[in-house]
Amino acid sequence: GESVGLHLPTLSVQEGDNSIINCAYSNSASDYFIWYKQESGKGPQFIIDIRSNMDKRQGQRVTVLLNKTVKHLSLQIAATQPGDSAVYFCAENFQGSSNTGKLIFGQGTTLQVKP
Amino acid sequence: KAGVTQTPRYLIKTRGQQVTLSCSPISGHRSVSWYQQTPGQGLQFLFEYFSETQRNKGNFPGRFSGRQFSNSRSEMNVSTLELGDSALYLCASREQGTNEKLFFGSGTQLSVL
Repeated sequence: GESVGLHLPTLSVQEGDNSIINCAYSNSASDYFIWYKQESGKGPQFIIDIRSNMDKRQGQRVTVLLNKTVKHLSLQIAATQPGDSAVYFCAENFQGSSNTGKLIFGQGTTLQVKP
Repeated sequence: KAGVTQTPRYLIKTRGQQVTLSCSPISGHRSVSWYQQTPGQGLQFLFEYFSETQRNKGNFPGRFSGRQFSNSRSEMNVSTLELGDSALYLCASREQGTNEKLFFGSGTQLSVL
């Protein structure tokens, strides 16, 4: 069915370490993936996105990896900072609903950064 | 540019009442989507509007409706409120085209008593 899942509900890391947040998706027809960060009391904030014709994309301190063979998506955050503490969501867009603004979200992973 | 603006920020209603939430998209964005966020169900798609037309709808009952105005501003309405409608309602806008990136507002926190 339509579902996007994350492997761990909570991830705790030491400040300065690298963080890796994982996501499994179920629909091989999905052609667009996106990561959002949500802080308490705020709406989701765009981090990075990737299309299915790519397997890696880098931003500032963040990298998204896409493995279509096993339908796996990951978000890597380099040198994690206290300000990175938030809930992280992956989301996918199905070809069938392309260009309709409908994203299917995972349940989210809470990232806790220890000073 | 100003971000997506949602009003009001908080709402408290009682069962059976109806509520209207408002969303102003980023200037130049013609597509507006609405999502419901709850601790149990996460983020769920409600509907999307483009050029005043509903383009897609999620699996929500008919009590949930929306509309979009010629200036791209959007409203969503929930009638005959139920306790389970308590949630954070998020509005998102995006540019037309192949870019699916949604920009979210801070949401309206609705509590139904």
